[in-house]
Amino acid sequence: GQQVMQIPQYQHVQEGEDFTTYCNSSTTLSNIQWYKQRPGGHPVFLIQLVKSGEVKKQKRLTFQFGEAKKNSSLHITATQTTDVGTYFCAGLNPSYKLSFGAGTTVTVRA
Amino acid sequence: ETGVTQSPTHLIKTRGQQVTLRCSSQSGHNTVSWYQQALGQGPQFIFQYYREEENGRGNFPPRFSGLQFPNYSSELNVNALELDDSALYLCASSVRQGTQYFGPGTRLLVL
Repeated sequence: GQQVMQIPQYQHVQEGEDFTTYCNSSTTLSNIQWYKQRPGGHPVFLIQLVKSGEVKKQKRLTFQFGEAKKNSSLHITATQTTDVGTYFCAGLNPSYKLSFGAGTTVTVRA
Repeated sequence: ETGVTQSPTHLIKTRGQQVTLRCSSQSGHNTVSWYQQALGQGPQFIFQYYREEENGRGNFPPRFSGLQFPNYSSELNVNALELDDSALYLCASSVRQGTQYFGPGTRLLVL
């Protein structure tokens, strides 16, 4: 079945620095979605990418969908303490099943 | 505020018992998906309901079952609980296959 993998599992970042988390699928995806889950909370939808090579920005967050629609990345610039949480990518396959990666848990050093 | 609500927020059961979790979807949404999130893991798809019919199922045994009602709210039932069923159970509502909005979840502990 479809597998979605994320790296790194943990990201410890100095406040103000940039980092990138990566997402790879074993199969081609209809779209890729990104969610953020704060400690003790539930996943909150951030963005959806549909087109091959698509790039979308939300303030300091830049999301990219690979040309083959099998990988994606999330780049955060000038990390802030509000960025703490776990970022999940989730791939929607042609059968409309959403498969989540294991997430990248981000901690920030002030 | 997503508008998706779940009850109860926390639940403790013992092995072999049965549990029913409830989800009220966001206004205007006709699809509910259920996920199991074990500690430190991503949500795992259990099944989805659209217009009161099951519309896709993940790799979960038949003791995981569900219902969707005419008002699009939903229930997740788990029979013969096992220790490994301890997890956060999330429901998410959407309009068909559109963006899924998650509820706050029910934390289930099986002793």
